[in-house]
Amino acid sequence: SQQGEEDPQALSIQEGENATMNCSYKTSINNLQWYRQNSGRGLVHLILIRSNEREKHSGRLRVTLDTSKKSSSLLITASRAADTASYFCATLQGAQKLVFGQGTRLTINP
Amino acid sequence: NAGVTQTPKFRVLKTGQSMTLLCAQDMNHEYMYWYRQDPGMGLRLIHYSVGEGTTAKGEVPDGYNVSRLKKQNFLLGLESAAPSQTSVYFCASSFLGPNEQYFGPGTRLTVT
Repeated sequence: SQQGEEDPQALSIQEGENATMNCSYKTSINNLQWYRQNSGRGLVHLILIRSNEREKHSGRLRVTLDTSKKSSSLLITASRAADTASYFCATLQGAQKLVFGQGTRLTINP
Repeated sequence: NAGVTQTPKFRVLKTGQSMTLLCAQDMNHEYMYWYRQDPGMGLRLIHYSVGEGTTAKGEVPDGYNVSRLKKQNFLLGLESAAPSQTSVYFCASSFLGPNEQYFGPGTRLTVT
């Protein structure tokens, strides 16, 4: 079952621009996580935002959470070529089951 | 500190053959997970373990078995491979619960 769904499915921008990805989910959550996956590699945890937080920053990453709309956004500022990857949001269903969305494929053009 | 490693990286099986995928972590994590990733499907949880000697079913456990005899290792077995099990398999571990998981590089399995 799909809990988180990312939008857009693919995003292509110029280096230096900001990239925004969105995630919508269906049920109540304790937290929401964002992961990055470079082509052919495993996922890397980027940031976790708790349900009582509205915004969180980590370096060039800014995550917002709106529990009333059941949505989250990931903003990457001043994008670099190395940011080219797929980005996934993930939420918990049950005690141990982390459910991932289908991801947003981000391409940074030089 | 190697993190999470997976063996093998690639494998081709014929239908009906069996194999075991090995996941090892050197971070002393309690929790370990096996996922499969298929195009357009995101990652789906196969089995997981909350500590040495424990295993539990995830979202798509049918056709797979697992064992966690040592804390650092989590094995995924396919007893009789089917073409539907063609996928990329990822192992992950975490220190406390399902948050902030560390992923291995993946195993690309093709069943013909």
